[in-house]
Amino acid sequence: GENVEQHPSTLSVQEGDSAVIKCTYSDSASNYFPWYKQELGKGPQLIIDIRSNVGEKKDQRIAVTLNKTAKHFSLHITETQPEDSAVYFCAATDQTGANNLFFGTGTRLTVIP
Amino acid sequence: DSGVTQTPKHLITATGQRVTLRCSPRSGDLSVYWYQQSLDQGLQFLIQYYNGEERAKGNILERFSAQQFPDLHSELNLSSLELGDSALYFCASSRGDEQFFGPGTRLTVL
Repeated sequence: GENVEQHPSTLSVQEGDSAVIKCTYSDSASNYFPWYKQELGKGPQLIIDIRSNVGEKKDQRIAVTLNKTAKHFSLHITETQPEDSAVYFCAATDQTGANNLFFGTGTRLTVIP
Repeated sequence: DSGVTQTPKHLITATGQRVTLRCSPRSGDLSVYWYQQSLDQGLQFLIQYYNGEERAKGNILERFSAQQFPDLHSELNLSSLELGDSALYFCASSRGDEQFFGPGTRLTVL
């Protein structure tokens, strides 16, 4: 099955700085890569996603890049704010076509005011 | 608010017992997924239903089962509970690639 690795496990940045989280996946047939933000006591919230026919996607301060050849994708958050503090998960679908998600182990992002 | 609802929010029970977790998907979503989140295993896919039929199985134990009803809500049944089953259980729903998660049920097995 799909194996997703995520780094770093924790990340602290000063408010206004950028944050980058990186993930690798194992299944070359994977074609959908979402990112989720999870705040304490809440369910994961979809913040951005990218499909395999696209190399980069941006939504305001958040961007995701995908390198299918190297099988890695990254989340970039610019101009970080304290409310960006949360745990972020990357995920990838498997090759079955059923769209089940395989998650990375999460990155705890802390934005220091 | 994702539009996915889960009940109950918290559940405390004893080893050996059986519990049922309930999920109502977003309006119009035919697919429901169940995930388990624990400290040592992270977020793991358990099972998926599409329009009432089981579509895919992940790391779901034989003691666990699920179903999706004609009104598209789903239930996850956990039986012969063990201490290690303590975790957050999430359901998600989708009608395409994007999955939207509910707030979860926190299960504590004592």
